[in-house]
Amino acid sequence: ELKVEQNPLFLSMQEGKNYTIYCNYSTTSDRLYWYRQDPGKSLESLFVLLSNGAVKQEGRLMASLDTKARLSTLHITAAVHDLSATYFCAGGDYNNNDMRFGAGTRLTVKP
Amino acid sequence: GAGVSQSPRYKVAKRGQDVALRCDPISGHVSLFWYQQALGQGPEFLTYFQNEAQLDKSGLPSDRFFAERPEGSVSTLKIQRTQQEDSAVYLCASTSGRTTVMNTEAFFGQGTRLTVV
Repeated sequence: ELKVEQNPLFLSMQEGKNYTIYCNYSTTSDRLYWYRQDPGKSLESLFVLLSNGAVKQEGRLMASLDTKARLSTLHITAAVHDLSATYFCAGGDYNNNDMRFGAGTRLTVKP
Repeated sequence: GAGVSQSPRYKVAKRGQDVALRCDPISGHVSLFWYQQALGQGPEFLTYFQNEAQLDKSGLPSDRFFAERPEGSVSTLKIQRTQQEDSAVYLCASTSGRTTVMNTEAFFGQGTRLTVV
């Protein structure tokens, strides 16, 4: 069974700083998703990473995938308060019709 | 519709009561998924439909949980004899593809927050 682990689980940052969230998964998964969730809201899709070495960027967020290391990263550049949310990564299992989520990283960006 | 719609948004149930949660997927989406999200946790898979066929229900935590999608569009998740540990947000997601969620982007509804007292 695919297991997905994120770290850190909680992250408090100052505006303008950079940081990286890590997502490790246990078995083969050729697709890795990043979602954002605001309090009381649903999951908003940020990135879909489909192959080894894939890198995608949107604004201050950049996601990458290393399938050999079974690692995806979400890098935050020059954080702003609006980025405060919980970020989830999710991987897929070839044999199951489901998406396995990590526990989430609760990001707080302080002025 | 424009997005995945779930109702009710909030439900308070007395322990032992039966509840029914509704999901309206994006029109034309073939695949539909239910997830359970406990407070402070990531979503946990419950069940998956392709059209009206329930292809995977391995994530349903007990036989008190039942899901259906009789006409291949709207889905209902029913929980019988609710217990306090059933308190969670129940999320529905749909995708356009006929294969697994991993092949196409999944769109999530706002969720139903169930509180069992």
